[in-house]
Amino acid sequence: DSGVTQTPKHLITATGQRVTLRCSPRSGDLSVYWYQQSLDQGLQFLIQYYNGEERAKGNILERFSAQQFPDLHSELNLSSLELGDSALYFCASSVARQQGSNEQFFGPGTRLTVL
Amino acid sequence: AQKVTQAQTEISVVEKEDVTLDCVYETRDTTYYLFWYKQPPSGELVFLIRRNSFDEQNEISGRYSWNFQKSTSSFNFTITASQVVDSAVYFCALIKTSGTYKYIFGTGTRLKVLA
Repeated sequence: DSGVTQTPKHLITATGQRVTLRCSPRSGDLSVYWYQQSLDQGLQFLIQYYNGEERAKGNILERFSAQQFPDLHSELNLSSLELGDSALYFCASSVARQQGSNEQFFGPGTRLTVL
Repeated sequence: AQKVTQAQTEISVVEKEDVTLDCVYETRDTTYYLFWYKQPPSGELVFLIRRNSFDEQNEISGRYSWNFQKSTSSFNFTITASQVVDSAVYFCALIKTSGTYKYIFGTGTRLKVLA
């Protein structure tokens, strides 16, 4: 158990809908990262937040947004969903601000299916 | 441009054999980080190691060892005396943190260890 929690575990929705994925980092970790893993695109980094502020942006679509709240949990919002958004979405957390500087701990992922 | 190549799509070995997973990267930056992750059949991602570009020391952790060679832009991962529990998909990744942020994953190598 990494200490990172993600809810829900599975999500099935329809095209055009909007969903919110939630992540709670390990106690004491200030950075939260979001990743997408799909058959087409493989593993991709989406976005990182550090202590409530956006730190780094990867291949995140404009239809997607994220935020980190004062209690450090984070939410990833996906809107106008398309079939291609079906993927496993991972959240990870770490202590440090800079991605490369230390270990990341991953949550179990949220599997999103868009029908 | 940055790129990570894991040319071995799938490798099968018999238990107790040694196996090396290759990772070749491309970057023009002098400062970067390299990572290896494991994704077992259960689906979670597990951090294995990180290495910064200035540290070419090889590392050994139990049956795992990593060989970082800047001269050949490679960061290979060897499992000694493989076990069935090593069966997983292994991802190599490169993080460029200077200038425009980039986080690039390889396509992964599926390792099957047969009993």
